[in-house]
Amino acid sequence: GQQLNQSPQSMFIQEGEDVSMNCTSSSIFNTWLWYKQDPGEGPVLLIALYKAGELTSNGRLTAQFGITRKDSFLNISASIPSDVGIYFCAGLTSGSRLTFGEGTQLTVNP
Amino acid sequence: DTEVTQTPKHLVMGMTNKKSLKCEQHMGHRAMYWYKQKAKKPPELMFVYSYEKLSINESVPSRFSPECPNSSLLNLHLHALQPEDSALYLCASSQGDLGADTQYFGPGTRLTVL
Repeated sequence: GQQLNQSPQSMFIQEGEDVSMNCTSSSIFNTWLWYKQDPGEGPVLLIALYKAGELTSNGRLTAQFGITRKDSFLNISASIPSDVGIYFCAGLTSGSRLTFGEGTQLTVNP
Repeated sequence: DTEVTQTPKHLVMGMTNKKSLKCEQHMGHRAMYWYKQKAKKPPELMFVYSYEKLSINESVPSRFSPECPNSSLLNLHLHALQPEDSALYLCASSQGDLGADTQYFGPGTRLTVL
């Protein structure tokens, strides 16, 4: 089946630093999604990417849909304590299940 | 509005109990999903309803029984669960068919089976 390799698995950063995480796959996806999940809560959609090469921002977050359609990255600029959580990438292909990466656990030290 | 609601927030049940989880969305979405999530792992798909019909059952044990009473509601009936079924149960919805549209998740139900 389809698999996503998400890295890094965890990150420990200082408040104010920038963060970058990415997902790669051997399969092509039509849509890339980035979710953030707080403990005990459901994943919240941060950014949705629908077109190869697309670069989209949402406040301090920027994500890109790789030109090969097999990868995506998420950047967070000027991190703040409330950025703490698990970030999941997910790939979507018509007629197929949502494929999740294993998640990146982000810790921000004040 | 991209809100999916779930009740209850927390549920503790014994192995002989029968309980139900409820999910609701008012976005006009035609596909609804149940996922199971263990700590620090991605969600795992359990069931998919498309246009109120069960389209996917990911070989889920029969002690989990989904129901879609109408296009806005999704239930998950629980009976004779095992302690290993303890997890966060997530409902999600999307506008169209599986794989076609972005999925929006509810806040989840934290289930503990004693």
